[in-house]
Amino acid sequence: DTEVTQTPKHLVMGMTNKKSLKCEQHMGHRAMYWYKQKAKKPPELMFVYSYEKLSINESVPSRFSPECPNSSLLNLHLHALQPEDSALYLCASSQGPGLNNEQFFGPGTRLTVL
Amino acid sequence: GESVGLHLPTLSVQEGDNSIINCAYSNSASDYFIWYKQESGKGPQFIIDIRSNMDKRQGQRVTVLLNKTVKHLSLQIAATQPGDSAVYFCAENQGGSQGNLIFGKGTKLSVKP
Repeated sequence: DTEVTQTPKHLVMGMTNKKSLKCEQHMGHRAMYWYKQKAKKPPELMFVYSYEKLSINESVPSRFSPECPNSSLLNLHLHALQPEDSALYLCASSQGPGLNNEQFFGPGTRLTVL
Repeated sequence: GESVGLHLPTLSVQEGDNSIINCAYSNSASDYFIWYKQESGKGPQFIIDIRSNMDKRQGQRVTVLLNKTVKHLSLQIAATQPGDSAVYFCAENQGGSQGNLIFGKGTKLSVKP
């Protein structure tokens, strides 16, 4: 299995809702990433998990809460989001967190906050 | 083929021609670079990578050139096909142990039949 899967594909939520995005990979990768991508913009790094521990938080607001239950799964818990948080959320994984590790991306979750 | 200036958001080429997409990177300490292709509604797809100890790397129909002196990266696509239409991003790993990738602005390639 050489792919990263993400669910759901689309999500619409209100500003008072709580929802979660899920990401899964079975390539034995030990680093996993969350990116946010706005329309016509490049992906922007949000979080990095290395060996199931959060190693980078790029000053992301606390309404986004990542979780790595095991080496294959990565979640992003969403609470009290704002309309400007609407974007494509991409998950990626790589063999390790270090140098020269190609990151494999999932198809993304298209999030709309009303 | 058509040579484009840096950070040009769109590039239109005729099917069968060669395409050249350019990218400037910011950090002279960056040691690993990747080109990604992103089709509409999909996540970025790896095309080719290059390490800073190399100047050129070739894949199937694609070539990446790295000029560290001017911090410039280019992607050459030979015999461009309609399926190559997408947004192309360069990404740099700025060093360190965490594998941070910083993406460039992207170039939208349109292939005319």
